[in-house]
Amino acid sequence: DAKTTQPPSMDCAEGRAANLPCNHSTISGNEYVYWYRQIHSQGPQYIIHGLKNNETNEMASLIITEDRKSSTLILPHATLRDTAVYYCIVLSYNTNAGKSTFGDGTTLTVKP
Amino acid sequence: NAGVTQTPKFRILKIGQSMTLQCTQDMNHNYMYWYRQDPGMGLKLIYYSVGAGITDKGEVPNGYNVSRSTTEDFPLRLELAAPSQTSVYFCASSTGTANSPLHFGNGTRLTVT
Repeated sequence: DAKTTQPPSMDCAEGRAANLPCNHSTISGNEYVYWYRQIHSQGPQYIIHGLKNNETNEMASLIITEDRKSSTLILPHATLRDTAVYYCIVLSYNTNAGKSTFGDGTTLTVKP
Repeated sequence: NAGVTQTPKFRILKIGQSMTLQCTQDMNHNYMYWYRQDPGMGLKLIYYSVGAGITDKGEVPNGYNVSRSTTEDFPLRLELAAPSQTSVYFCASSTGTANSPLHFGNGTRLTVT
């Protein structure tokens, strides 16, 4: 079973921030949180990852709670091209060879 | 730098036929993975490899086999195709270091009729 829980769908207005939550209450100390997105049926595209600190890159920001049991992916200015399925996963190479199961993700629909 | 390349893109098989899905990466990654994705669902891990000559089962390995004779290639073999194996198959690779993301190919869409 997937170790993360995400809402099945969300809407966002174009130009507004999209905040996608993820629950990973059973995360272990050496597991990282990774976010990917999948547009249509293409291969998942890496967005961002983090261990315990908040992270930002050119695509998004990742906010991880202090207890690491949940996180939020923030797309600061959503565009129509951000409409996709977003997956949050946890994985560790040290203890689990990077194995992970992707849950059903969140379908984000950006509306004009 | 092509990344992860999967062939073929599409394939239709009859029940009982066999085929090999090809996956190759040019990033010198040690870790490679095979996932399947059924319609409207997330990805499930079939097999993985942490280096040439080393493979292990994932969550849903039944009906599949893999080999890893080189760092670059990680083929997935279906011996006796069944309708339940109709899915989209994704290959991924990673350096395997703590801070490294998975890099995915664009998938092979397989239909078994």
